[in-house]
Amino acid sequence: DAGVTQSPTHLIKTRGQQVTLRCSPISGHKSVSWYQQVLGQGPQFIFQYYEKEERGRGNFPDRFSARQFPNYSSELNVNALLLGDSALYLCASSLSPMGEGHRWSSYEQYFGPGTRLTVT
Amino acid sequence: LAKTTQPISMDSYEGQEVNITCSHNNIATNDYITWYQQFPSQGPRFIIQGYKTKVTNEVASLFIPADRKSSTLSLPRVSLSDTAVYYCLVGDDASGGSYIPTFGRGTSLIVHP
Repeated sequence: DAGVTQSPTHLIKTRGQQVTLRCSPISGHKSVSWYQQVLGQGPQFIFQYYEKEERGRGNFPDRFSARQFPNYSSELNVNALLLGDSALYLCASSLSPMGEGHRWSSYEQYFGPGTRLTVT
Repeated sequence: LAKTTQPISMDSYEGQEVNITCSHNNIATNDYITWYQQFPSQGPRFIIQGYKTKVTNEVASLFIPADRKSSTLSLPRVSLSDTAVYYCLVGDDASGGSYIPTFGRGTSLIVHP
């Protein structure tokens, strides 16, 4: 089975521009999450979507937005790019949404290879 | 806020057992602890998850004391291919009640021949 796929692999943008990153989850997975990973740090949570609804948002400005489509694929949009937005953007899918149920669980997330965004 | 602390780096040799400890003093009562492995230019890969005591799978063991303020990932008999960054992950309860997964800064494990 295909894993999580992301496109594009690499992207170079100029400050002030807008960018759209795409993610296709593993077949059958209905939850998609987005993370930003700056070099030398752990991934930082941006959004979680489940069944096309936002289920969680990290500490990111409103320039970051996302959506999930009926086929569970997802897009992450970043407007008015800043140099500090340069990072590896990771998409992860899971069967169930994180934080559900009697006990929280991050559930087993399957990560894609990421999109390397460079803002110049 | 949930926060995790891990050693920045560790060195080991092939065939040795490696234990990486993560502290998470503010872990929520109902939260699990999850560990991921990441190689350069790849997304993290799930290793193991647990709530309390000990969990073992085919690649690792996870030890969680009764107070759950820390956890230890144990990798038996490491090989060169285990050289990677290892992250522990716990959740945070954002205002509004949504679950915020929080990765630590990771432990860079280097396995020497």
